[in-house]
Amino acid sequence: QKEVEQDPGPLSVPEGAIVSLNCTYSNSAFQYFMWYRQYSRKGPELLMYTYSSGNKEDGRFTAQVDKSSKYISLFIRDSQPSDSATYLCAMRGFGNEKLTFGTGTRLTIIP
Amino acid sequence: DTGVSQNPRHKITKRGQNVTFRCDPISEHNRLYWYRQTLGQGPEFLTYFQNEAQLEKSRLLSDRFSAERPKGSFSTLEIQRTEQGDSAMYLCASSGLQGPWGNTEAFFGQGTRLTVV
Repeated sequence: QKEVEQDPGPLSVPEGAIVSLNCTYSNSAFQYFMWYRQYSRKGPELLMYTYSSGNKEDGRFTAQVDKSSKYISLFIRDSQPSDSATYLCAMRGFGNEKLTFGTGTRLTIIP
Repeated sequence: DTGVSQNPRHKITKRGQNVTFRCDPISEHNRLYWYRQTLGQGPEFLTYFQNEAQLEKSRLLSDRFSAERPKGSFSTLEIQRTEQGDSAMYLCASSGLQGPWGNTEAFFGQGTRLTVV
């Protein structure tokens, strides 16, 4: 079993919809949680970075962490065709520089 | 361009040949990472440097792989006697002591796509 599980999709939603992306994990040592966006044949781009449980909002993006359930989410409001990409969750423990990634969810926003 | 730079962007090589990739991190970043990503998967950690010291290596990094970061600036990743299973995107990332959210964050380069034929 992988340490981080993420539904690979693909996920298609109409423009303007709210998108919900999720990851579960098994390692209770994970303390830092990140979401990266990756366009085809490009490197991952950091979207959101949270520490421990709680919510963080940045523009149309909201990241949620529930450490008791070992579950993290990324919400995208007012989705745009330019949001079409693969979204990767990533996490690491305190004092540990190694990021453990999910497999990524491929998202398509339909105009 | 002040981002992480990787060269070459693409490399096609014959099985058994050696290849070397280069990564130039963001100039003020002291930490540098190498990851490997295969199609449909997330990046997998290979190794990590703090300045010139290689502090952690994954078990994925077989004896055919070697990484260096002389003088704590750019880094190279060499693969000897390449195999078809080495075909992947090789990603470099760097991070500094503190990011905008009060902690380090890793910025990735565009990657080097290796195809072994």
